[in-house]
Amino acid sequence: QLQLQESGPGLVKPSETLSLTCTVSGGSISGSSYYWGWIRQPPGKGLEWIGSIYESGSTYYNPSLKSRVTMSVDTSKNQFSLKLISVTAADTAVYYCAKHPLRGGFGIWGQGTMVTVSS
Amino acid sequence: DIQMTQSPSSLSASVGDRVTITCRASQSISNYVTWYQQKPGKAPKLLIYATSSLQSGVPSRFSGSGSGIDFTLTISSLQPEDFATYYCQQSYSSPPTFGGGTKVEIK
Repeated sequence: QLQLQESGPGLVKPSETLSLTCTVSGGSISGSSYYWGWIRQPPGKGLEWIGSIYESGSTYYNPSLKSRVTMSVDTSKNQFSLKLISVTAADTAVYYCAKHPLRGGFGIWGQGTMVTVSS
Repeated sequence: DIQMTQSPSSLSASVGDRVTITCRASQSISNYVTWYQQKPGKAPKLLIYATSSLQSGVPSRFSGSGSGIDFTLTISSLQPEDFATYYCQQSYSSPPTFGGGTKVEIK
């Protein structure tokens, strides 16, 4: 059964870089023909898509975050990663990784990881 | 970006009630709508995809309908485990966007 697990620091200082990794188990990123995405949810608020990556490394990002986001994939480790630069308190949220088809819903989610931006 | 407007933002209902949640898109999105259920402290769970297709393992009391700009999630007979927040999402065009959520509470 496919599972996703986010990992990374729970506390990031303002103006620094948020870095998270999603590890996929029970299946392979390679050959899946799916996209692998990041979604976040500020405390008590709704869901915001950050961006997605294909196994080839092709990416597409939310225009609202595009200038600050970089995603990468390491198929040898069955992982994909998110970097968000120049963070502020507004980036405080639970960050989820998820699997999805190109034009479809997010079918499998990680459990989420809380990231707080604070000095 | 396509805006997804969900209503109501919250509702109170009793076990056994029929519950309807609506989502209106800011432009036509064909049938590219997904519905999720989220419980506190948990990741969202996909319930319905492509407007009306039930995800494997999801109870048949959940159903979806609509096309174009107006979409509906219906719970035919509310169960205790259904008290949660529900979100719609469009995948017609990038960026994929979510509705603001509907919190279903116990009356």
